Amino acid sequence: QQQVKQSPQSLIVQKGGISIINCAYENTAFDYFPWYQQFPGKGPALLIAIRPDVSEKKEGRFTISFNKSAKQFSLHIMDSQPGDSATYFCAASSGGSNYKLTFGKGTLLTVNP
Amino acid sequence: EAQVTQNPRYLITVTGKKLTVTCSQNMNHEYMSWYRQDPGLGLRQIYYSMNVEVTDKGDVPEGYKVSRKEKRNFPLILESPSPNQTSLYFCASSRQGPGPQHFGDGTRLSIL
Repeated sequence: QQQVKQSPQSLIVQKGGISIINCAYENTAFDYFPWYQQFPGKGPALLIAIRPDVSEKKEGRFTISFNKSAKQFSLHIMDSQPGDSATYFCAASSGGSNYKLTFGKGTLLTVNP
Repeated sequence: EAQVTQNPRYLITVTGKKLTVTCSQNMNHEYMSWYRQDPGLGLRQIYYSMNVEVTDKGDVPEGYKVSRKEKRNFPLILESPSPNQTSLYFCASSRQGPGPQHFGDGTRLSIL
């Protein structure tokens, strides 16, 4: 059972455009939703994260939009740059006694100059 | 410099030969975790540890063991490796709970 579904698998955007990656989850106990960025040969690095008590969080060119009723959240990259080309993973976890972190399958973003 | 260090970075071995991948963090983090990354499957959690002597299974624990005897170290043990454990492995740590996590640079295991 895939608990976090991520789309699209790959995305090509022109420099200066907006990149949008979507994730949907099933477990209503999830209460932490991070996005990770991974460059080739490196481990993932936390990009931005959100908790369900807010609907949007913005850090620089990166914004998470969160829709609790739809159980969906998305990453928006404004003014996309070639240096943003990487694989992006959404993830979700719940607190309490269960600290498992479940990742989506990833989106390969290519930003053309 | 804050970091998570994995060793070895690359390993080619044969079926059934026990191996250990070490992971060490210098941030005094309580939470540590192991993931495997496979094409088309993303990152899947193998085991995690909330603190010393506290470990629990992730989503794909079969064929793996872990231990957490010291706060800084969290080794991953493959007692009898099989070809389906060929993968890219990542160790991660966080101050508490599952995020935000600091990842190591990965260990690529090939089991023939």
